[in-house]
Amino acid sequence: GENVEQHPSTLSVQEGDSAVIKCTYSDSASNYFPWYKQELGKRPQLIIDIRSNVGEKKDQRIAVTLNKTAKHFSLHITETQPEDSAVYFCAASTNTGNQFYFGTGTSLTVIP
Amino acid sequence: DVKVTQSSRYLVKRTGEKVFLECVQDMDHENMFWYRQDPGLGLRLIYFSYDVKMKEKGDIPEGYSVSREKKERFSLILESASTNQTSMYLCASSLSTGTANTEAFFGQGTRLTVV
Repeated sequence: GENVEQHPSTLSVQEGDSAVIKCTYSDSASNYFPWYKQELGKRPQLIIDIRSNVGEKKDQRIAVTLNKTAKHFSLHITETQPEDSAVYFCAASTNTGNQFYFGTGTSLTVIP
Repeated sequence: DVKVTQSSRYLVKRTGEKVFLECVQDMDHENMFWYRQDPGLGLRLIYFSYDVKMKEKGDIPEGYSVSREKKERFSLILESASTNQTSMYLCASSLSTGTANTEAFFGQGTRLTVV
């Protein structure tokens, strides 16, 4: 089955700096890659997703890039703010398996 | 707005008890999932269901079973709770379009402590 690896496990940045979280996947059939943000004590919520027919997607300060050849995708957060502090999970999914395979999470701390 | 509701936010059970965790979604989603969340291990899939009465094992099904008698409800059962099942349990649901996967919506989680 699919194996998703996520790095780093913890990340601290100064407010205003950028943060990058990287994930790799193993199954070339994976074609949907969502990113979830989980604030302390809350449920994971989708912040951005990308499909395999797209190389990059942006939504304000958040962007995701996908390299299908290398089987990796990354989350980029620019101009970080304290409210960006949370645990971020990447995931991979195929349209046949119905499953989501999650990475182990990155705990991001934005220092004011 | 999609809602996935788990029946309990916190549960404390004794070793050996049979435990039921309930999850209900209100958006007619075909897929429902049970994950376990532990620090450093991320979200690990226990079971998922793609239709009523259908279920498939995830990565860590041992010690758990599930039931899906109605489309909106997916139950996780711990047949005989053990201390190593102390964890945060998250339910999720997603729409199945047949051609592409879509966003998974999560419940608020159940923090289970087995003593």
